[in-house]
Amino acid sequence: EAGVVQSPRYKIIEKKQPVAFWCNPISGHNTLYWYRQNLGQGPELLIRYENEEAVDDSQLPKDRFSAERLKGVDSTLKIQPAELGDSAVYLCASVSGGSDTQYFGPGTRLTVL
Amino acid sequence: QKEVEQDPGPLSVPEGAIVSLNCTYSNSAFQYFMWYRQYSRKGPELLMYTYSSGNKEDGRFTAQVDKSSKYISLFIRDSQPSDSATYLCATKTSYDKVIFGPGTSLSVIP
Repeated sequence: EAGVVQSPRYKIIEKKQPVAFWCNPISGHNTLYWYRQNLGQGPELLIRYENEEAVDDSQLPKDRFSAERLKGVDSTLKIQPAELGDSAVYLCASVSGGSDTQYFGPGTRLTVL
Repeated sequence: QKEVEQDPGPLSVPEGAIVSLNCTYSNSAFQYFMWYRQYSRKGPELLMYTYSSGNKEDGRFTAQVDKSSKYISLFIRDSQPSDSATYLCATKTSYDKVIFGPGTSLSVIP
């Protein structure tokens, strides 16, 4: 079974530029999470989807961050414009219905210069 | 005060040692407790999951929860170099999001 796929793995951009991250969860997993992990910290939730519905986006900085999961499968997280403080690893995780086990992708390491 | 706290380490032990990793939390409503392992440049992977006080064992790993003290521990017996990673404790209520600690970096030296 393929795991959670994320791309790109690494991204370097200049501040004020836009950037997008893509996640393909494990097949059949209805719940999808986006997390941000700063250096030396644990992951912090940005948004949670149940199928195509964002059920918890309270931690998403909506002035510059947006996310979508149009068909309830893969998802995109976008930052526009990026700031220096956005440098972090962006992790995607998915969960099968009825389970609490989150399966994480390898993350996208973003560096904003 | 952060909701979940861990000593960040780094912790360095010789191969074969018993490792003790500890975590404290502040919210007595937390009911579920997890330990994740994260290798460098990888996503976290679930190691242990428990929802009650006491011990849960899985091979060389034992998770211990003391709800009265709000204290979570992970013990690794016969530690191996392949155990070198960052260990994240995490907790949640029955309906809320998972809260992760900052992680403890462990190195097992051959």
